[in-house]
Amino acid sequence: AQSVAQPEDQVNVAEGNPLTVKCTYSVSGNPYLFWYVQYPNRGLQFLLKYITGDNLVKGSYGFEAEFNKSQTSFHLKKPSALVSDSALYFCAPFTGRRALTFGSGTRLQVQP
Amino acid sequence: ETGVTQTPRHLVMGMTNKKSLKCEQHLGHNAMYWYKQSAKKPLELMFVYNFKEQTENNSVPSRFSPECPNSSHLFLHLHTLQPEDSALYLCASSQESGEGEGNEKLFFGSGTQLSVL
Repeated sequence: AQSVAQPEDQVNVAEGNPLTVKCTYSVSGNPYLFWYVQYPNRGLQFLLKYITGDNLVKGSYGFEAEFNKSQTSFHLKKPSALVSDSALYFCAPFTGRRALTFGSGTRLQVQP
Repeated sequence: ETGVTQTPRHLVMGMTNKKSLKCEQHLGHNAMYWYKQSAKKPLELMFVYNFKEQTENNSVPSRFSPECPNSSHLFLHLHTLQPEDSALYLCASSQESGEGEGNEKLFFGSGTQLSVL
């Protein structure tokens, strides 16, 4: 069963505008949730994670994500997008296995 | 650099060839992973090694054979591959706490782009 959904294959945003990359999950209990980013010709890099506590998590490169238990969402946000933010973004819940499982990701395209 | 090095960066092979992918981590981690990334598909976890012992084989065909001689090195031996095996193969490492909570950060290499002709 799919434990994470990123409903948009691609998100386009103009530089300087706020961006949101959506993620919903279907893990039972109190999930651990991660965001990773993949720049061209690179492996994935850790951005941020939610374990417990404050629902707003701040991560690398000015990104943040908000955990919403009632909506089972963990959307990634940034107040002002940069062209260099263009990449593939992966939301990943910890499902109880020994390693993270990832979806197919959302491609973010920031136009100058 | 992430501290995880994969070689080669690109590999083209025929279906009857035998080749190996290499991964080395310089982070002192105790767990290593192979993932397969195909276009527009979810990232597929292939193998997991903890303390050099294989702890997960995610129903991977036997034409893929992993080897973990020590905590720093991980290989993926390939033989008689199919064109559908063409993909980016990513290696990752992490420091497992032993509690299995899954909150450990993964560090990825840049991958090997494999093309099977």
